[in-house]
Amino acid sequence: DAGVTQSPTHLIKTRGQQVTLRCSPKSGHDTVSWYQQALGQGPQFIFQYYEEEERQRGNFPDRFSGHQFPNYSSELNVNALLLGDSALYLCASSLTEGGRYTQYFGPGTRLTVL
Amino acid sequence: ELKVEQNPLFLSMQEGKNYTIYCNYSTTSDRLYWYRQDPGKSLESLFVLLSNGAVKQEGRLMASLDTKARLSTLHITAAVHDLSATYFCAVGDAGNMLTFGGGTRLMVKP
Repeated sequence: DAGVTQSPTHLIKTRGQQVTLRCSPKSGHDTVSWYQQALGQGPQFIFQYYEEEERQRGNFPDRFSGHQFPNYSSELNVNALLLGDSALYLCASSLTEGGRYTQYFGPGTRLTVL
Repeated sequence: ELKVEQNPLFLSMQEGKNYTIYCNYSTTSDRLYWYRQDPGKSLESLFVLLSNGAVKQEGRLMASLDTKARLSTLHITAAVHDLSATYFCAVGDAGNMLTFGGGTRLMVKP
């Protein structure tokens, strides 16, 4: 049973560029959440997707956008990158209907903005 | 706005000793999570606590939840070096959005 997968593992970008991160949820899961974890801090919720729609959003600017595909996989897009966007981006999957409580996290994408 | 606070932020302990990590949160919730994170790695789920008085144990770790006090504890019994990691608590809302504490970095010395 494949767990949550994310790609790429590492990414280096320069300020002003745009980036797309990808996530495939655990088999059978239909909900994908994205979190940003700055160095030495706890993860912060960016947004959550269910049934291809953004269901909840944290306190992040519109530069952060996402998408969920019919196969439940998801993308996180960040435009006009800032140095402060450097972080570990974590994707978590869960099941909305029943057994929804546990969120399983992927290995993360380490984004460095120069 | 929900706030989640952990203490201590850093804990250095000897092998064989016991200690407790505390997690306080500011608004009502009946869903409390504990995760472990090793350096450079992702988050590993340890416990999900869903009701007042819930207690769960796995090996040398035991977690409890007091929803009235808005407090969860993670107790470490007879620590071993392999438990060295950063531990996070997180509070979940109805939509399963998690709000994390700042983490407790645990170092167990031989």
